[in-house]
Amino acid sequence: ETGVTQTPRHLVMGMTNKKSLKCEQHLGHNAMYWYKQSAKKPLELMFVYNFKEQTENNSVPSRFSPECPNSSHLFLHLHTLQPEDSALYLCASSQDLLGLETQYFGPGTRLLVL
Amino acid sequence: AQKVTQAQTEISVVEKEDVTLDCVYETRDTTYYLFWYKQPPSGELVFLIRRNSFDEQNEISGRYSWNFQKSTSSFNFTITASQVVDSAVYFCALSEDNTNAGKSTFGDGTTLTVKP
Repeated sequence: ETGVTQTPRHLVMGMTNKKSLKCEQHLGHNAMYWYKQSAKKPLELMFVYNFKEQTENNSVPSRFSPECPNSSHLFLHLHTLQPEDSALYLCASSQDLLGLETQYFGPGTRLLVL
Repeated sequence: AQKVTQAQTEISVVEKEDVTLDCVYETRDTTYYLFWYKQPPSGELVFLIRRNSFDEQNEISGRYSWNFQKSTSSFNFTITASQVVDSAVYFCALSEDNTNAGKSTFGDGTTLTVKP
C-alpha cells in the first residue's frame, strides 16, 4: 500500500465517547500533520509532528490529543467532543517541513459528533 | 494577517465550457506563496500549483491555466474545455513562510460541478 491512509473513513460518536483516528504514511516522510476541514470554513492546521516531536499546536482544545509513536504513524485521540467538532479530519505527510506543496494528503476521516 | 477569499461558493457548468475560479488574497509580506489544490469526492487534497510572489508569469498546464496579478491581489484558475472529472472542490491557499506549515491560510473553497 502506498501514500497516506486514514482509518476509519467515517466515524459517528457520541459526546461521551472516546475514539481514535489513525493515519499511516508509506512514503518514508519525517513530518506529519492533522488538519480539520469544517463545512463552509477554511482548512485549519491542528498539529504538526517532525521526527515524532510535536512542532506545532494551533491552539487546539485538549479534547483532541495527538500521538506520534513513529514517523509513519499519527493518531488523533478524541474524547468528550462537541457537535461543532464534526468535520473532515485530514492527515498529511511530507519529507520535511519545507513547502506546503510537498505535503501528501490522506483521504480523511469524516467525523460526526452527536 | 493573511486572508484568502474565494467568493464563488459553487459553480456549475456544462462539459466543454471554460470556467474560472477566483482567488483574492491579502498579505502584508512582500514574499509569499500561492497555491491551488483540488479535492475530489474521495477526499484527499491534490496539489496543483505553487506560485511565488516575485514570479508573475502566468502558467499553463494542459487545460489548466493560472493568472497571477499582484496589482489586484488575485490568483485565478481557469479550466478550459471542462470535463466531468474536473468536478471537485478547489482551494486556493497563501503561505507567508513556506518553511512553516502553520503559516498557511486556505480559502473556503469553490465547489465545481461539471455536468455532461
